Amino acid sequence: DAGVTQSPTHLIKTRGQQVTLRCSPKSGHDTVSWYQQALGQGPQFIFQYYEEEERQRGNFPDRFSGHQFPNYSSELNVNALLLGDSALYLCASSFQGNYGYTFGSGTRLTVV
Amino acid sequence: DQQVKQNSPSLSVQEGRISILNCDYTNSMFDYFLWYKKYPAEGPTFLISISSIKDKNEDGRFTVFLNKSAKHLSLHIVPSQPGDSAVYFCAALRYGGSQGNLIFGKGTKLSVKP
Repeated sequence: DAGVTQSPTHLIKTRGQQVTLRCSPKSGHDTVSWYQQALGQGPQFIFQYYEEEERQRGNFPDRFSGHQFPNYSSELNVNALLLGDSALYLCASSFQGNYGYTFGSGTRLTVV
Repeated sequence: DQQVKQNSPSLSVQEGRISILNCDYTNSMFDYFLWYKKYPAEGPTFLISISSIKDKNEDGRFTVFLNKSAKHLSLHIVPSQPGDSAVYFCAALRYGGSQGNLIFGKGTKLSVKP
């Protein structure tokens, strides 16, 4: 049974560019949440998607946007990248948003 | 404004002894608490949780204690094993655990020495 799959695992982008990160939830899960983990910090909630709509959003600027597809997979888009966007981006899936979150291994984004 | 605090960045324990990881929170609306373990290059893995209506939850070697009046919880690992060496995150949920999002502490790096 595949868990949460994230791609790519690593990428390097230049300041000002745009990036798209992808997440496939665990089988049977329908809700996807995205977290940003900066170095030495705990994960910070970005937003949550359920039924293809953004259900909740954390304290992140509009440069961060997302999408959920009918198959429950999700994308995180970040526009106009800043050096401070360098972090590990974690995707977590759950069933109907309950607390049984399963995390992926993350995408390490480096902005230079 | 950090709502979940793990004040010890690191902890070193001898194999076989008890590991105690602490977590404090400030928001009295939190009603569910979780501990996650994270190895390098992996995502956080759920370890154990506790509802705010309980003061203790046990699962094998892992026990979580909740003191609501002090807004404090702790994770006890007995006996500690070298494979327990990882970063441990405390997390809290609002809104009864549904439609909520996890608020994490900064983590405590546990090293269990053989």
